[in-house]
Amino acid sequence: EAQVTQNPRYLITVTGKKLTVTCSQNMNHEYMSWYRQDPGLGLRQIYYSMNVEVTDKGDVPEGYKVSRKEKRNFPLILESPSPNQTSLYFCASSLTSGGGNIQYFGAGTRLSVL
Amino acid sequence: GQNIDQPTEMTATEGAIVQINCTYQTSGFNGLFWYQQHAGEAPTFLSYNVLDGLEEKGRFSSFLSRSKGYSYLLLKELQMKDSASYLCAVLTTDSWGKLQFGAGTQVVVTP
Repeated sequence: EAQVTQNPRYLITVTGKKLTVTCSQNMNHEYMSWYRQDPGLGLRQIYYSMNVEVTDKGDVPEGYKVSRKEKRNFPLILESPSPNQTSLYFCASSLTSGGGNIQYFGAGTRLSVL
Repeated sequence: GQNIDQPTEMTATEGAIVQINCTYQTSGFNGLFWYQQHAGEAPTFLSYNVLDGLEEKGRFSSFLSRSKGYSYLLLKELQMKDSASYLCAVLTTDSWGKLQFGAGTQVVVTP
């Protein structure tokens, strides 16, 4: 089954404790992206990747890191989480970044930083 | 930058029709998507428009007017399971695949 898999689905952590949210897709997609969703603000892009070893910042990259060492995986790293990073996070992928390419979303990771 | 506006909430009765409007201001338009999102779940793709006109897919239809920066999603024969948030998202030619999302329209279907 074609899918985007995120782990963990739920995470509660404390300020400053490094964490990684994993994202994997099995559709051989070139383009992957991370979004965060906050009430009233909609989905906002954090980072994206056009292909292996090609990543760039989205609209809200501060406090986050990513890597794309393999085509299928695109982990999101929070080196020193802070309470303002409490949010619902979604990973998404599409065949390419061009028009008409549907982005498929993972099930989401709900993160609480205390 | 882009500005995408859609109503916050709409309520309709089971079996009725609801139209969700989306207006956008953007440069280099490269398509508009509608996604459905149930509470706490992933957005799922509903429709894509890049040319003017109406795209029909079962009970759901989506319309686009590029000159007016306007789209709508039409939900017909509403069912209780259609209660969800509907997200309008715009793709631009200079955004490298980034979807610019509106805040979403919460549709509540009542019996």
